[in-house]
Amino acid sequence: NAGVTQTPKFRVLKTGQSMTLLCAQDMNHEYMYWYRQDPGMGLRLIHYSVGEGTTAKGEVPDGYNVSRLKKQNFLLGLESAAPSQTSVYFCASSLSVEAFFGQGTRLTVV
Amino acid sequence: DQQVKQNSPSLSVQEGRISILNCDYTNSMFDYFLWYKKYPAEGPTFLISISSIKDKNEDGRFTVFLNKSAKHLSLHIVPSQPGDSAVYFCAAKDQGAQKLVFGQGTRLTINP
Repeated sequence: NAGVTQTPKFRVLKTGQSMTLLCAQDMNHEYMYWYRQDPGMGLRLIHYSVGEGTTAKGEVPDGYNVSRLKKQNFLLGLESAAPSQTSVYFCASSLSVEAFFGQGTRLTVV
Repeated sequence: DQQVKQNSPSLSVQEGRISILNCDYTNSMFDYFLWYKKYPAEGPTFLISISSIKDKNEDGRFTVFLNKSAKHLSLHIVPSQPGDSAVYFCAAKDQGAQKLVFGQGTRLTINP
């Protein structure tokens, strides 16, 4: 009964490095989301997907790219990491209204 | 442009009393409103939701009230328990874009 699984859970990157965060859900949900959580800012939507093969920009998409090649996976990429991207990243999936969240990935860019 | 706002960063309530968390929104296209609870080092977990066509939804100790004319919703927790200490996020679903927009969160502390 995994739900939404995010990998990795922690990562430290150097400025300019690239990485991909993986989100996998086993609930056959159509909608998937990537958020970042920063102190005092709440959860801000980076990108989202309304189905396999689709992606759309959220509130803070700059510096990130996403792909949804398979329905169960939603990848978040950072091509050239910056210190401003230090944050906790959450993936979520939804069938209609309620969204289910993963445990988060704590990313530090130095 | 913050479409969902929680103006109180923190709230402290005595155990057994009522906790009231507030949320304001600006977008009339929101069709559902949700409350999430978050403990440190965990992902947010769903608590309760309300459709935009209703004004109240109750689930055990949790009740959400929606005032569409004021674009305001609130979460009531009664009685408050120590395990309720967490950060609470208000969220709204945009029916057109099928996305969830969150507020900044309110840290609730229940004191014994």
